[in-house]
Amino acid sequence: AQSVTQLDSQVPVFEEAPVELRCNYSSSVSVYLFWYVQYPNQGLQLLLKYLSGSTLVESINGFEAEFNKSQTSFHLRKPSVHISDTAEYFCAVTRSSYKLIFGSGTRLLVRP
Amino acid sequence: DAGVIQSPRHEVTEMGQEVTLRCKPISGHNSLFWYRQTMMRGLELLIYFNNNVPIDDSGMPEDRFSAKMPNASFSTLKIQPSEPRDSAVYFCASLPSGSYEQYFGPGTRLTVT
Repeated sequence: AQSVTQLDSQVPVFEEAPVELRCNYSSSVSVYLFWYVQYPNQGLQLLLKYLSGSTLVESINGFEAEFNKSQTSFHLRKPSVHISDTAEYFCAVTRSSYKLIFGSGTRLLVRP
Repeated sequence: DAGVIQSPRHEVTEMGQEVTLRCKPISGHNSLFWYRQTMMRGLELLIYFNNNVPIDDSGMPEDRFSAKMPNASFSTLKIQPSEPRDSAVYFCASLPSGSYEQYFGPGTRLTVT
């Protein structure tokens, strides 16, 4: 069975500082990996995804994540965060096109 | 495109009452999902429809929960009778054929007192 672990429930960081949100998964087979972002009182939005090919994937707003098969990780990074990045971030994994398994989420709190 | 539409956005009801949550997926998407989000259990998939047919309902908690998709543009999630432990945010999401990107609605926050 697949599972996703997000060890950090909350990550406080100052504006313009770098941040890394950790995600580890367990699966005995190849998987597809995702990061979703949830802003307050909104639904989830896809931030970026790894399906195949380059292990480094980027979003349009400066986030990136690297698929590391040996460490079964898919950590999310941003070199300089903004106040507007304050949100909850969910890592998710699937082997199929539909059954997403979500992590417990990491609340990113960006302070001025 | 209006995105996935859910109604109501907020619902407060008393224990024992019937609750119906509604979802309109994005036009052209052929898969629809209902999720429940709570602090204790995080995001859980309740049921998945493909081409209006329920494919996987293993996440539906118990017989009090039922979901229907009478056509490609409408789905309902019903709880009867409701209990305080059903309090959560319920999300609907849709997925176009051949894609892995699920599009989520804004959710319905359900409070059962």
